[in-house]
Amino acid sequence: SQQGEEDPQALSIQEGENATMNCSYKTSINNLQWYRQNSGRGLVHLILIRSNEREKHSGRLRVTLDTSKKSSSLLITASRAADTASYFCATVGVNTGTASKLTFGTGTRLQVTL
Amino acid sequence: GAVVSQHPSRVICKSGTSVKIECRSLDFQATTMFWYRQFPKQSLMLMATSNEGSKATYEQGVEKDKFLINHASLTLSTLTVTSAHPEDSSFYICSASGLAGGILYEQYFGPGTRLTVT
Repeated sequence: SQQGEEDPQALSIQEGENATMNCSYKTSINNLQWYRQNSGRGLVHLILIRSNEREKHSGRLRVTLDTSKKSSSLLITASRAADTASYFCATVGVNTGTASKLTFGTGTRLQVTL
Repeated sequence: GAVVSQHPSRVICKSGTSVKIECRSLDFQATTMFWYRQFPKQSLMLMATSNEGSKATYEQGVEKDKFLINHASLTLSTLTVTSAHPEDSSFYICSASGLAGGILYEQYFGPGTRLTVT
């Protein structure tokens, strides 16, 4: 199955700065989702953007989607130390049924320092 | 939001033994559950998809006789790692999707189970 690529693989910023992570995928999608994972823990769903949407906001998060380039970006504004985690994009392909499989990207490890 | 639990959170077993991991949806009926495996600092890889009352669908390369999945009720799925070997040591995560989720395609993830085979 296809797997998205994320870049950068690792990102280190200072508190208050913005963090941008990018995700590219290979096949047509129904929607794209972003998740956060703290070390050794499960996943927390952050935001879902559908294929007919171009931008979505949720609090300090901004997600864009460019289906022509098969890419998405996640922007975290005014980062906090608590944002330190791994971030994954995951896509749901078209024609995959009622409860659809997620295909995860490689992830970006974000470190926010004080 | 919907809650999914996993038990145990950590397990250490000896090589050759079998280990069962439970995944429960606590406040909704999960018609479909997914099992993922995650190696350190890597992404999640889907192992199998299970629908309540039917056989699981395994991803290519996943041995169905080694990773036994049972989804006997709308709130419980189990993954049994049979004859475990050290290379099976990994972080196993389940997710559940159901009618009470509200949004189509949304999966709710469990906290994961750390398996160490010695």
